Amino acid sequence: GENVEQHPSTLSVQEGDSAVIKCTYSDSASNYFPWYKQELGKRPQLIIDIRSNVGEKKDQRIAVTLNKTAKHFSLHITETQPEDSAVYFCAASGVQGAQKLVFGQGTRLTINP
Amino acid sequence: KAGVTQTPRYLIKTRGQQVTLSCSPISGHRSVSWYQQTPGQGLQFLFEYFSETQRNKGNFPGRFSGRQFSNSRSEMNVSTLELGDSALYLCASSQQGANTGELFFGEGSRLTVL
Repeated sequence: GENVEQHPSTLSVQEGDSAVIKCTYSDSASNYFPWYKQELGKRPQLIIDIRSNVGEKKDQRIAVTLNKTAKHFSLHITETQPEDSAVYFCAASGVQGAQKLVFGQGTRLTINP
Repeated sequence: KAGVTQTPRYLIKTRGQQVTLSCSPISGHRSVSWYQQTPGQGLQFLFEYFSETQRNKGNFPGRFSGRQFSNSRSEMNVSTLELGDSALYLCASSQQGANTGELFFGEGSRLTVL
């Protein structure tokens, strides 16, 4: 089955700097790659997603890139702010549907003022 | 529009007992999926229901089961509880069937097994 590896597990950056989180997946049939943000004690919330027919997607300070050949995708956050501090999860799903997500282990991002 | 509602939010059980968790999806959402979240294993898919039918199932033992009602509300049950079942159980709903994208998660039910 699908396996998603996420790195790093923790990331600390200065406010205003950029943060990059990387994920690799194993199943070449996967075609949907969302990123979820989970603040402490809160529910996971979708921040951006990308499908396999697209190489890059951007939404304000957040962007995701996908390399199907290498089977990896990355989350880029620019001009980081204190409210970006949270745990970020990448995920992948395939032919069984977008509801069956395989998640990475998560990255705890801390923004230092 | 109300979000995904899960009850109970917290519960404590002892080994060998069983537990039933409930999830009410966002109005109009027909797909409900369940995930287990633990510090060690992260977020793991349990199962998904669509129109009262289990459409997908994760790699969990048969002690974990679920169902969906005609109003799309869903329940999951864990029988013969083990210490390792202590976790946050998250329910998520989505608008349609396959490959539609965003899951809307509830706040979760935190289960502690003693």
